[in-house]
Amino acid sequence: QKEVEQNSGPLSVPEGAIASLNCTYSDRGSQSFFWYRQYSGKSPELIMSIYSNGDKEDGRFTAQLNKASQYVSLLIRDSQPSDSATYLCVPGGYNKLIFGAGTRLAVHP
Amino acid sequence: DAGVIQSPRHEVTEMGQEVTLRCKPISGHNSLFWYRQTMMRGLELLIYFNNNVPIDDSGMPEDRFSAKMPNASFSTLKIQPSEPRDSAVYFCASSLRDRGTSVFTDTQYFGPGTRLTVL
Repeated sequence: QKEVEQNSGPLSVPEGAIASLNCTYSDRGSQSFFWYRQYSGKSPELIMSIYSNGDKEDGRFTAQLNKASQYVSLLIRDSQPSDSATYLCVPGGYNKLIFGAGTRLAVHP
Repeated sequence: DAGVIQSPRHEVTEMGQEVTLRCKPISGHNSLFWYRQTMMRGLELLIYFNNNVPIDDSGMPEDRFSAKMPNASFSTLKIQPSEPRDSAVYFCASSLRDRGTSVFTDTQYFGPGTRLTVL
């Protein structure tokens, strides 16, 4: 079992729709969770972090965490073509930061 | 405010040559990370430093790779000799250690990366 499981995509959504990105992880010791966005040819950029169960909202982005199910998600409301990128789910543990392969999101006009 | 600075941005070299990648972390940050990204393996942590001291180099693929951090504002990753399978994008990231939590709960800021091609 991989440490982080994400659907590689591409996840294709129309402009204005809600994009839902999902992630499961295996390390129960993970205490923090990050969503990074990486545009093609660019470096990863932190867009959300979440530390406790429940939802955390920041503008059009909502991160959801369920530690019991070892499940993290990122919702992007009112998706824009500029949101087209690879989104990396990153559980942060006490001894490592685990990057998955990410989900490629394509928002089409 | 300047972010993480990496040089060179692109490097093309021939197999067997020595390659040195450079990184300047964000001023005031005390943790520095070197990552490698390939299509096949994704983003992998190679080594990280805290207060200029290497803490975990278990991700360094083999002895051909070495990293140093002589001071708080500079780090190098050296590959000698280089091989075609080392071709990848190498990222440097830095963070500010927050006492009482793991270094891996701190927010990391990535540099633009160095695209290395070994022919």
